[in-house]
Amino acid sequence: AQRVTQPEKLLSVFKGAPVELKCNYSYSGSPELFWYVQYSRQRLQLLLRHISRESIKGFTADLNKGETSFHLKKPFAQEEDSAMYYCALKTGGYQKVTFGTGTKLQVIP
Amino acid sequence: DVKVTQSSRYLVKRTGEKVFLECVQDMDHENMFWYRQDPGLGLRLIYFSYDVKMKEKGDIPEGYSVSREKKERFSLILESASTNQTSMYLCASSLYGGRAQPQHFGDGTRLSIL
Repeated sequence: AQRVTQPEKLLSVFKGAPVELKCNYSYSGSPELFWYVQYSRQRLQLLLRHISRESIKGFTADLNKGETSFHLKKPFAQEEDSAMYYCALKTGGYQKVTFGTGTKLQVIP
Repeated sequence: DVKVTQSSRYLVKRTGEKVFLECVQDMDHENMFWYRQDPGLGLRLIYFSYDVKMKEKGDIPEGYSVSREKKERFSLILESASTNQTSMYLCASSLYGGRAQPQHFGDGTRLSIL
């Protein structure tokens, strides 16, 4: 069965420090991976997807199939990055998406 | 921009009541989903639907049912509400097919069962 693991429930960093939110997945086939973000009092929204290979709000994520990881990174954290972040896995043509348990990022001014 | 609208932001019901949560999307998406969101547990899929009148069980379907009579509307039904169903419920929609289609979420319904 597919599974997504986000080992940190809470990650606190100082403003300007680098950020890495960890995500590991278990799936033997070709995965489709996403990061979603939920800011305070806002709806859950897509941050980025691995196929796009783009930087959104300074965040990047690289799919590492060897380590089955899709960690989210940003070189310099901003206060407005404080939010709940979810990693999600979609497999093949199946429509179901599996979410991790989420990591709350707290950027300390 | 995709709009997913959930009928209520807050709802308070009593144990044993039959509860209906409604969700409407305006982008002609084939897929619709119901999740519950609990602290420390993330999002857990209750049911999803990939077409009108089609439904698939998710990871935690017990105590819930769904209805999809029209493409734009997906209803979640709590047959006999219990206190352990107090939670935030999120509806989402997505296109069917294509690579890495993202899900679009509603604002959520915070349901309290007393």
